[in-house]
Amino acid sequence: KAGVTQTPRYLIKTRGQQVTLSCSPISGHRSVSWYQQTPGQGLQFLFEYFSETQRNKGNFPGRFSGRQFSNSRSEMNVSTLELGDSALYLCASSLAPAQETQYFGPGTRLLVL
Amino acid sequence: GENVEQHPSTLSVQEGDSAVIKCTYSDSASNYFPWYKQELGKGPQLIIDIRSNVGEKKDQRIAVTLNKTAKHFSLHITETQPEDSAVYFCAASGSSNTGKLIFGQGTTLQVKP
Repeated sequence: KAGVTQTPRYLIKTRGQQVTLSCSPISGHRSVSWYQQTPGQGLQFLFEYFSETQRNKGNFPGRFSGRQFSNSRSEMNVSTLELGDSALYLCASSLAPAQETQYFGPGTRLLVL
Repeated sequence: GENVEQHPSTLSVQEGDSAVIKCTYSDSASNYFPWYKQELGKGPQLIIDIRSNVGEKKDQRIAVTLNKTAKHFSLHITETQPEDSAVYFCAASGSSNTGKLIFGQGTTLQVKP
């Protein structure tokens, strides 16, 4: 069974631009969560989607948004990029939310110049 | 607030020795505790997890113990091998009924041949 896939793997943007990252969960998994990983803050929860509904959101500004499609694929968007948004963005999928094992993708490395 | 503290931040052992990583969580409602291994350039990989109704779980050379009263959980790796070298993260489920995970800051494990 294929794992979680994320595209693109690497991205370079400039301040003020916006970016969209994509995540395809493991086949059959309906829950997708997003995390931001930085050397200073570690792994921080962004949001979680299940059945196209956002179930929980982390403590990030409104510039960070996401959505989930009917096939469980998810996208996250960051508008008006700031230098501090440079990070590894990780997507994790699970069968269902809450206490189900989460499997991570390889991440998208975003560099904001 | 929700918080997970992880110690030590770095750990160096000789091949064949044991390694122990400890975590403490703050939210008594947390009831799911996974451990992830992250190698350079890759996403976190689940290595073992434990739920609050179990005190200990073992999988070959890896074991996890949970003390809910003290809000402590630990990862034990026996007979370490050079390929165990990586960053290890503990996590605890968030208090709400979602898949949100709160991660520790990570432990860089170096196994010397």
